[in-house]
Amino acid sequence: DQQVKQNSPSLSVQEGRISILNCDYTNSMFDYFLWYKKYPAEGPTFLISISSIKDKNEDGRFTVFLNKSAKHLSLHIVPSQPGDSAVYFCAASAVGNQGGKLIFGQGTELSVKP
Amino acid sequence: ETGVTQSPTHLIKTRGQQVTLRCSSQSGHNTVSWYQQALGQGPQFIFQYYREEENGRGNFPPRFSGLQFPNYSSELNVNALELDDSALYLCASSLGATEQYFGPGTRLTVT
Repeated sequence: DQQVKQNSPSLSVQEGRISILNCDYTNSMFDYFLWYKKYPAEGPTFLISISSIKDKNEDGRFTVFLNKSAKHLSLHIVPSQPGDSAVYFCAASAVGNQGGKLIFGQGTELSVKP
Repeated sequence: ETGVTQSPTHLIKTRGQQVTLRCSSQSGHNTVSWYQQALGQGPQFIFQYYREEENGRGNFPPRFSGLQFPNYSSELNVNALELDDSALYLCASSLGATEQYFGPGTRLTVT
């Protein structure tokens, strides 16, 4: 029962262009969503989050969009840089349920080519 | 500000043995969560500790147990190790139910 799904295992983008990473969820109790970036041999690094009361949150080159009716969120990276190459995980939480347990997707490996 | 640290970095154990993994939370954080990440998968929630009490548990058997200490550091104990327990074990700390910040992980190999 995969409650959070990232259907694209990999994505390749040219430097300077937009990277769009997608995530779908099934549990309507989720009310907080996060994106993490992971380099090999390191733990996930928090990137950006969004509460279910918003539909967009922006932080520098990173923007997360949330479509509650479609149970879909996306991470936009503009412009993409070679240093953005990593595995990206989306995660969801039902804050009222167990205080922030995160349910992760399987990850999307982003490769940004110079 | 010191981030989340974990020890050891790597560990090799034999099936049936017991293992203890350690985590020091980020300064000021009172909540520690543990996750298991198998190869090619996202992290799976094991359990969470808030102010020394277990505050939620994922779908893991009782041979996975934990502790949180007064300084908010934490231990993950796994008894009767099985081959499928081979994974990256991640610790994350947070201030209550907010963004979780992860340590580098402990790579456990069970042979």
